[in-house]
Amino acid sequence: NAGVTQTPKFRVLKTGQSMTLLCAQDMNHEYMYWYRQDPGMGLRLIHYSVGEGTTAKGEVPDGYNVSRLKKQNFLLGLESAAPSQTSVYFCASSLRVYEQYFGPGTRLTVT
Amino acid sequence: RKEVEQDPGPFNVPEGATVAFNCTYSNSASQSFFWYRQDCRKEPKLLMSVYSSGNEDGRFTAQLNRASQYISLLIRDSKLSDSATYLCVVNGGTGGFKTIFGAGTRLFVKA
Repeated sequence: NAGVTQTPKFRVLKTGQSMTLLCAQDMNHEYMYWYRQDPGMGLRLIHYSVGEGTTAKGEVPDGYNVSRLKKQNFLLGLESAAPSQTSVYFCASSLRVYEQYFGPGTRLTVT
Repeated sequence: RKEVEQDPGPFNVPEGATVAFNCTYSNSASQSFFWYRQDCRKEPKLLMSVYSSGNEDGRFTAQLNRASQYISLLIRDSKLSDSATYLCVVNGGTGGFKTIFGAGTRLFVKA
């Protein structure tokens, strides 16, 4: 099993550009999450999903959109990137709310 | 006040030492608690759950003190491989989905 995978691993964007981060899990988990991690701060929840076709806002949803069309995939979109969105993005999944399994992360720089 | 607070450290200890970290939380309605480990430039990984009765896994012991609203992690006989950042995670409470990560405590174990 690959667990949780994320693509791409690195990306540099210019202000105003758009991109989509892909998260895939092969553990048949219902719950999936997108976090961002910035220096000196804990992981902050952007959006999450409790099942296929459902999404909900987390702590810092502004500037991001998500979709969960298939149970195994959770996409995070940035429509118009801003320098404040420079961060490391982690996707996670879990069978229940607890015991989250994380992907390797995507390092995004917005210039 | 942050909802989950940790001493950022770093804690510098020699091999074989015993080291303890605390994590305080502000929401008395929090329901479940975890410790995650994060190696440099890697994803967080679940280390252990924290139960009201305490939880021990080899050299690691986790405790919960609901009255004072903190959890602790004790590492005995520290190994070089224990060097990492330790994140506490608090789940639950009122106001919908709530999973809060602490910013982490850095540990360096030296030979």
